[in-house]
Amino acid sequence: RKEVEQDPGPFNVPEGATVAFNCTYSNSASQSFFWYRQDCRKEPKLLMSVYSSGNEDGRFTAQLNRASQYISLLIRDSKLSDSATYLCVVEAGGTSYGKLTFGQGTILTVHP
Amino acid sequence: GAGVSQSPRYKVAKRGQDVALRCDPISGHVSLFWYQQALGQGPEFLTYFQNEAQLDKSGLPSDRFFAERPEGSVSTLKIQRTQQEDSAVYLCASSLGGGSPLHFGNGTRLTVT
Repeated sequence: RKEVEQDPGPFNVPEGATVAFNCTYSNSASQSFFWYRQDCRKEPKLLMSVYSSGNEDGRFTAQLNRASQYISLLIRDSKLSDSATYLCVVEAGGTSYGKLTFGQGTILTVHP
Repeated sequence: GAGVSQSPRYKVAKRGQDVALRCDPISGHVSLFWYQQALGQGPEFLTYFQNEAQLDKSGLPSDRFFAERPEGSVSTLKIQRTQQEDSAVYLCASSLGGGSPLHFGNGTRLTVT
């Protein structure tokens, strides 16, 4: 089983739609969680950190469920510019503290 | 510099050649990571450093891969006797450590012919 798993998609949604991505992780000792965004042929860039209490940044909401070991990202009112690959990232705990592991990524295409 | 700098941006190597990829992290960042990204996949962990110490190299695919960061700043990823399956984008990232977010360089796109 992969350490971090995501549905690769692709998700094709119209502008204005709400879309949600989930991610599961296998290491219960994981400490930190992030969502990154990667545009085609570009480097990944931090979208947002994910906190236990959940957090929101404009149209983006991230949730963490430690008991079920999954992370979610909700995008409301999708824009064309949201089209990208969304990467779930988990920092290992325990003896692998500091090591960040990426999921495969979920492809989102927002169309007019 | 303001961001993570990687060089070269593109590298074409003939099978069997050795290559060296350079990463210049953000000044003051103690953690430095190398990832390999194949087309359509997420970045795969190769190795990481905290200052000059290589804390984890479990992701290096074979003993042909070697990474160093001798003075705790610039890092080099060396691939000996390159094979076609080594073709990928090699991403370097740095962070302040302790679970801080990563800042990536533009990557080096390696093509082995």
